[in-house]
Amino acid sequence: TQLLEQSPQFLSIQEGENLTVYCNSSSVFSSLQWYRQEPGEGPVLLVTVVTGGEVKKLKRLTFQFGDARKDSSLHITAAQPGDTGLYLCAGEDNNAGNMLTFGGGTRLMVKP
Amino acid sequence: EAGVVQSPRYKIIEKKQPVAFWCNPISGHNTLYWYRQNLGQGPELLIRYENEEAVDDSQLPKDRFSAERLKGVDSTLKIQPAELGDSAVYLCASSFGTSGTDTQYFGPGTRLTVL
Repeated sequence: TQLLEQSPQFLSIQEGENLTVYCNSSSVFSSLQWYRQEPGEGPVLLVTVVTGGEVKKLKRLTFQFGDARKDSSLHITAAQPGDTGLYLCAGEDNNAGNMLTFGGGTRLMVKP
Repeated sequence: EAGVVQSPRYKIIEKKQPVAFWCNPISGHNTLYWYRQNLGQGPELLIRYENEEAVDDSQLPKDRFSAERLKGVDSTLKIQPAELGDSAVYLCASSFGTSGTDTQYFGPGTRLTVL
């Protein structure tokens, strides 16, 4: 079974601060996805990274896929209260029918 | 375009009672997924359908859980009998296909509480 560990589990910061959350595994993934989930809702896809070393930017969010495709990071610049939520990474394995394995999530709270 | 619809949104039952969840995927999406998300954790896949065929149900506790997707559209997930440990959010998701470029769209989930 492939496992994804996310850190930190909880993060509480002030508006305007920068932060990085991590997603690590000992397994290689075909691609890695980041989702954001708000209370009472399902996860919403933010980005998919496919190539080792790939960096993608989405406004103030920067996603990086590790060179070996085993880990990923999400960096948020100048966090805003609207960034509050549960951030989930999910690894996809093409050898397992493209099944997604989710990490445990990082719960972010941005205080005004 | 309507998203993935799930009902009910909340369900409270006593242990040993049966319960069923319903999911209507996005129109045209051939692949449907049921996930379970325990409190403070990420979703875990229970079963995946391609059209009406269950292609991955290795994580479905088959002694008490069952699922069906008649006509390859709507799906129901049933638990009978429910146990205390079944309390969780049950998420349904759908995608057009199963390639790496096919985004999974999630519904809002059904929050089950077993007393």
